[in-house]
Amino acid sequence: DQQVKQNSPSLSVQEGRISILNCDYTNSMFDYFLWYKKYPAEGPTFLISISSIKDKNEDGRFTVFLNKSAKHLSLHIVPSQPGDSAVYFCAAVSGTPRKRADKLIFGTGTRLQVFP
Amino acid sequence: KAGVTQTPRYLIKTRGQQVTLSCSPISGHRSVSWYQQTPGQGLQFLFEYFSETQRNKGNFPGRFSGRQFSNSRSEMNVSTLELGDSALYLCASSPGTGGATTQPQHFGDGTRLSIL
Repeated sequence: DQQVKQNSPSLSVQEGRISILNCDYTNSMFDYFLWYKKYPAEGPTFLISISSIKDKNEDGRFTVFLNKSAKHLSLHIVPSQPGDSAVYFCAAVSGTPRKRADKLIFGTGTRLQVFP
Repeated sequence: KAGVTQTPRYLIKTRGQQVTLSCSPISGHRSVSWYQQTPGQGLQFLFEYFSETQRNKGNFPGRFSGRQFSNSRSEMNVSTLELGDSALYLCASSPGTGGATTQPQHFGDGTRLSIL
């Protein structure tokens, strides 16, 4: 049972425009979320995170929005650049208590391609 | 600061064999987690070790096991290999004392395991 879902396997966006990557989750106990970016032949790299006490977190060109009632989060990249082309994974933190034994529940990823 | 190092990068085995993968965490990190990445399944959590003890475990069969040494280096072992074990195995490290909400995991580049 996939508790974290990324329903769009791929997304193609023109350079300079906005990229919006979506993620849905089913477990209402999840209260912390992260986005990772992965280039081919490399491991995932942490991008940005958000706690459920917030509905928005911004870091430069990257903004994550959380809608708890809809169990939905999204990653916005503005403006998109060709170097942003990668696979993006959404992840939720699972584990109690949260200060120990955390594990990440990942979605299946969305491949973003930014073209000139 | 050196990143997470996984060896070997590529491995080819046949069904029924066993394999050991190695992970050296970032210096000072005491938590090591292992994930399996397959097409269409995203990253799936295998287990986490902290101070030489397994602290959390995913839903994988007992053929998958691991251990951690006193220097925090970790090994993962898979016995009686099956075709379905072909995947990218990723290791991630973190300080391990504050939880994923404050200390995002840092990933290695993975070991690509192919079963013939």
